Amino acid sequence: DTGVSQDPRHKITKRGQNVTFRCDPISEHNRLYWYRQTLGQGPEFLTYFQNEAQLEKSRLLSDRFSAERPKGSFSTLEIQRTEQGDSAMYLCASSVGQGYTGELFFGEGSRLTVL
Amino acid sequence: GESVGLHLPTLSVQEGDNSIINCAYSNSASDYFIWYKQESGKGPQFIIDIRSNMDKRQGQRVTVLLNKTVKHLSLQIAATQPGDSAVYFCAENIKEGRRALTFGSGTRLQVQP
Repeated sequence: DTGVSQDPRHKITKRGQNVTFRCDPISEHNRLYWYRQTLGQGPEFLTYFQNEAQLEKSRLLSDRFSAERPKGSFSTLEIQRTEQGDSAMYLCASSVGQGYTGELFFGEGSRLTVL
Repeated sequence: GESVGLHLPTLSVQEGDNSIINCAYSNSASDYFIWYKQESGKGPQFIIDIRSNMDKRQGQRVTVLLNKTVKHLSLQIAATQPGDSAVYFCAENIKEGRRALTFGSGTRLQVQP
């Protein structure tokens, strides 16, 4: 399977703990995105990388959130001092291109539950 | 703030009928629109896109219509099948910007056998 891969698929943690999610995009896709999705809502944009450069961050991305894509391949999203409001599905997507966003290829997400 | 939204949260249709899912957008600078399908437990899947220099685009069993005058987008699914049951999102992107897609809140399509 050469699609977008996310790990772990499910994470249950206690409030105040740190969690990290990993995303492996489709190879040769230069763009990588993180979205957050809560039940019944559309995905909300968090951040976006072109190669290793983080080009845009949403205001939703508080200082407890940090994302990296150190070599322009896989990416990690870390949430520090988790809160119950962080419970959501975290979706990663990748795409190729320079101009229009184009078609995003989404992974199946990492579901976070904060107790 | 500017947003993308949907008129109907749930649409129930009979198998074989045509389905129409609507979406309103408010960002006049948006000129690229995409429809995504999301099945339970999965990530969104691209269906079809349309640029603002077009008012209609057809795919396999799907048609997207764009009315820029009233800022309205629709997705038509012909001969709806049980496998079409999912949540459908419209999303927009602004030309020349580096903004990622902005998604609406979705419409659930239920296909009755």
